[in-house]
Amino acid sequence: DQQVKQNSPSLSVQEGRISILNCDYTNSMFDYFLWYKKYPAEGPTFLISISSIKDKNEDGRFTVFLNKSAKHLSLHIVPSQPGDSAVYFCAASARAGNTGKLIFGQGTTLQVKP
Amino acid sequence: DTGVSQNPRHKITKRGQNVTFRCDPISEHNRLYWYRQTLGQGPEFLTYFQNEAQLEKSRLLSDRFSAERPKGSFSTLEIQRTEQGDSAMYLCASSQPFFDFNTGELFFGEGSRLTVL
Repeated sequence: DQQVKQNSPSLSVQEGRISILNCDYTNSMFDYFLWYKKYPAEGPTFLISISSIKDKNEDGRFTVFLNKSAKHLSLHIVPSQPGDSAVYFCAASARAGNTGKLIFGQGTTLQVKP
Repeated sequence: DTGVSQNPRHKITKRGQNVTFRCDPISEHNRLYWYRQTLGQGPEFLTYFQNEAQLEKSRLLSDRFSAERPKGSFSTLEIQRTEQGDSAMYLCASSQPFFDFNTGELFFGEGSRLTVL
């Protein structure tokens, strides 16, 4: 049972354009969502998060949008840069446990072409 | 380097053998996590420790798997009688006692890749 789904395995965009990565979830108990980025031969690193009480969170070029009714979130990267090329994981947690037990999606490989 | 350290980085073994992975967390972090990542999938939670206490184990952690953190510092993950299905990247992460979702302070190591022949 995949509770967090990233249905696009890969995405290719031109440098300077917008990258939009999507994520869907099924568990309505999730109340925090995070995006991690992973380069080859490295562990995932935290990118941005959003609480379920918000619908948008912005950090520089990165913005995460949350649509609770649709159980959908998206990560927007504007403008995209070649250094953004990596695997992006969406993750979710039910914060009541206040642990680092995260449920990850399958990941989307982003390629930003110069 | 003060990040999360894992070794060995890559282990190739024959089916039926035992393997052990070690994780050294960031020194001031007293929470330590093990995740497993298979090809084309995201990391899956296996277990976590608060100091030396193992507080939660996933159903993914069969009885062939055992994790320890004897002194609340480094941790080991042992897999007995390995099977080909155990082939995966085993990721260790650490964090402060109260996970800060605003900053996502779960710091991952580079992982230990297991290949079972």
